[in-house]
Amino acid sequence: GQSLEQPSEVTAVEGAIVQINCTYQTSGFYGLSWYQQHDGGAPTFLSYNGLDGLEETGRFSSFLSRSDSYGYLLLQELQMKDSASYFCAVRVGAGNNRKLIWGLGTSLAVNP
Amino acid sequence: DAGVTQSPTHLIKTRGQQVTLRCSPKSGHDTVSWYQQALGQGPQFIFQYYEEEERQRGNFPDRFSGHQFPNYSSELNVNALLLGDSALYLCASSLAQNEQYFGPGTRLTVT
Repeated sequence: GQSLEQPSEVTAVEGAIVQINCTYQTSGFYGLSWYQQHDGGAPTFLSYNGLDGLEETGRFSSFLSRSDSYGYLLLQELQMKDSASYFCAVRVGAGNNRKLIWGLGTSLAVNP
Repeated sequence: DAGVTQSPTHLIKTRGQQVTLRCSPKSGHDTVSWYQQALGQGPQFIFQYYEEEERQRGNFPDRFSGHQFPNYSSELNVNALLLGDSALYLCASSLAQNEQYFGPGTRLTVT
């Protein structure tokens, strides 16, 4: 089967750094994506790793190690507005048969 | 440039009824994927449409069907509704298999 694991909840304070890990077991891996979803809203794309290493986008960075089937999302200088659910999602399949397999999400609470 | 739009935003149906949800993709996108998201869960892939054909399907029964039109818009149909079909239904569009952009979703409640 195909599965992704990520922590269900993380709590941090404003200004801190938090890391959300994601491990996966899938076939036909093509890359790892991260999405943010606020309560009642739609998922919004944050980052994508197709190759090993670190991708940095402003306060957010994402890392991938394909040999370890592991990735993480790093959020720096946390702000209250970062309180949301964060999902890792793996791209599987090739060509027009690609689809996303989603984790259950990590609920991040940022406190003052 | 309009993003992904979905209609209606909310819907209440009774068990056994049928429902049709609609999605207009972001301008320039040709691929539409549908997801079901239950409360507290991650999105579950239902199916994907490209060139008016269903290209991929998740683990959903035949009660869930869809269509894509020549203008790339799409419909999701669910027959014989069950209480367990209550969820947020998300539509995502992309250009081929590039990054997906999500619409605001349709909240379906089955009573």
